[in-house]
Amino acid sequence: GAVVSQHPSWVICKSGTSVKIECRSLDFQATTMFWYRQFPKQSLMLMATSNEGSKATYEQGVEKDKFLINHASLTLSTLTVTSAHPEDSSFYICSATLQETQYFGPGTRLLVL
Amino acid sequence: SQKIEQNSEALNIQEGKTATLTCNYTNYSPAYLQWYRQDPGRGPVFLLLIRENEKEKRKERLKVTFDTTLKQSLFHITASQPADSATYLCALGTGTASKLTFGTGTRLQVTL
Repeated sequence: GAVVSQHPSWVICKSGTSVKIECRSLDFQATTMFWYRQFPKQSLMLMATSNEGSKATYEQGVEKDKFLINHASLTLSTLTVTSAHPEDSSFYICSATLQETQYFGPGTRLLVL
Repeated sequence: SQKIEQNSEALNIQEGKTATLTCNYTNYSPAYLQWYRQDPGRGPVFLLLIRENEKEKRKERLKVTFDTTLKQSLFHITASQPADSATYLCALGTGTASKLTFGTGTRLQVTL
């Protein structure tokens, strides 16, 4: 139980384009989902908290207009990286909360050329 | 400032031995602490949760202790196997909206 999927698993895009990443909880409903990014050999850095039916809460230093989050249902949250640049290349991971535990998706590797 | 520290150096142990990983924190009052395993290029996998009023939790070969006085958690893997090789992350939860703050992780390498 408590399975979370992410799509796509990897994406390569040109600088200036937008990329959408989907996060789904497959066998449970999650009112709260989280988005993280992780650079090589570093820990997870929380980007934002996504709440179903309301606006996302962004961590300090994360641009909300660049990283658009939509949590339209209890099983789906999306992260859109707008006007992506090479410095946005990273490993993006979502999690969905069941009670106090976060269950993570497999991650999406983004490479911006 | 708030800090969560895990051994940044990799931990190398022989198969069959007990691996012990440390998580220390400062300026936090966590309601619970969680341990996750992360393999390269993958998302973390939940292992164990221990609450502030619990001293110890076990699950199969895994044991976690939580000392709120020392501000430390220890994570033990008994009878370690090469398949246990991974990075292990501790994460603190304060109870606010299930938000977690992660440590930097310790890489465990179990050799034959």
